[in-house]
Amino acid sequence: GQQVMQIPQYQHVQEGEDFTTYCNSSTTLSNIQWYKQRPGGHPVFLIQLVKSGEVKKQKRLTFQFGEAKKNSSLHITATQTTDVGTYFCAGRGIASGTYKYIFGTGTRLKVLA
Amino acid sequence: GAGVSQSPSNKVTEKGKDVELRCDPISGHTALYWYRQRLGQGLEFLIYFQGNSAPDKSGLPSDRFSAERTGESVSTLTIQRTQQEDSAVYLCASSPGIGQPQHFGDGTRLSIL
Repeated sequence: GQQVMQIPQYQHVQEGEDFTTYCNSSTTLSNIQWYKQRPGGHPVFLIQLVKSGEVKKQKRLTFQFGEAKKNSSLHITATQTTDVGTYFCAGRGIASGTYKYIFGTGTRLKVLA
Repeated sequence: GAGVSQSPSNKVTEKGKDVELRCDPISGHTALYWYRQRLGQGLEFLIYFQGNSAPDKSGLPSDRFSAERTGESVSTLTIQRTQQEDSAVYLCASSPGIGQPQHFGDGTRLSIL
């Protein structure tokens, strides 16, 4: 079945440093969603990418969808302590036949002040 | 408006008992998802409902798990003869339609003694 892996599993950065998490699917995706989960909280939707090679920006966050629609990345410029949390990608397989989403393994970000 | 509501927020029960978890989606949201999140882990897809279509049950881990949804309203997830490995946070999410962002509830933390 479809699998979605994320690397790294953990990342500790100094405040002000950049951060990137990578998401890789075993199958081609129809679209990909990104979520942030703060410690003790529930996942909160960040963005959805649909087109091959798509790039979207939200302030300090830049999201990319690979040309082959099998991978994606989230880059945060100049991290702040408010960026702490776990970042998940979630992809829907193009051949899945349903609208279920498979979540990635997540990248836990810690920002040191 | 009101978000996704889940109840109970916490449930402690003895091994072998049945439990029922409830999810009230955002009004008007046609899609509803159930996920399981073990401590420190990612989100594991369980089941997906879309309107009056047949649900996608492909993520249910065993026949002890079942879920129902009447129309586009409340959903219940039932776990029969609970086992210790069922201990996890069960998250419900709803979305306005297929392929749309998911809005999560705060989850039910289930502990099996």
